[in-house]
Amino acid sequence: AQSVAQPEDQVNVAEGNPLTVKCTYSVSGNPYLFWYVQYPNRGLQFLLKYITGDNLVKGSYGFEAEFNKSQTSFHLKKPSALVSDSALYFCAVRPNQAGTALIFGKGTTLSVSS
Amino acid sequence: EAGVVQSPRYKIIEKKQPVAFWCNPISGHNTLYWYLQNLGQGPELLIRYENEEAVDDSQLPKDRFSAERLKGVDSTLKIQPAELGDSAVYLCASSPRSGMDTQYFGPGTRLTVL
Repeated sequence: AQSVAQPEDQVNVAEGNPLTVKCTYSVSGNPYLFWYVQYPNRGLQFLLKYITGDNLVKGSYGFEAEFNKSQTSFHLKKPSALVSDSALYFCAVRPNQAGTALIFGKGTTLSVSS
Repeated sequence: EAGVVQSPRYKIIEKKQPVAFWCNPISGHNTLYWYLQNLGQGPELLIRYENEEAVDDSQLPKDRFSAERLKGVDSTLKIQPAELGDSAVYLCASSPRSGMDTQYFGPGTRLTVL
């Protein structure tokens, strides 16, 4: 079965430190990969996506993600965390097949302390 | 540019009552999605529209759920009758087309069934 795993329910980092939110996937073929962020009582906001090309993708608010095909991973990173980055982060995969929907992970809560 | 609009934002109903949610996608977006997000989980697709055609409704519980997008613009999702287990957030998203296009999400409707 196709799936997305976010192995950490919560990630805690201090402000100014680098952060990583992990995501691995099990999807056949060459999928499209996405990261979304969700603030309390808000919808999901798009951060970045990987379709093809350079394995390092840059997105909104200073976030970036690295695609690793051999490890089937798409980890979200930021060099220096801000308290305002505290939110719920979702990794999503769209299998490279016509008409398929996004498959989301369970989400990872990022908490950045001052 | 206005984002995806959903109403109501919150709804509390008694079980066995009907309920309806409304979504207006981003102007010009042909593809519209309804997702269900349970507490502590990632969104799961209920139905996807290409213009006015429901092209993927395999995850929609058709015994109690229905949806329509009559003119290929806004959409309504209905539950009748609601059950306790339907308490969740119902998210609407849109994209210019399906495929690799990014999906943009509305703020969601939080449904509580008592």
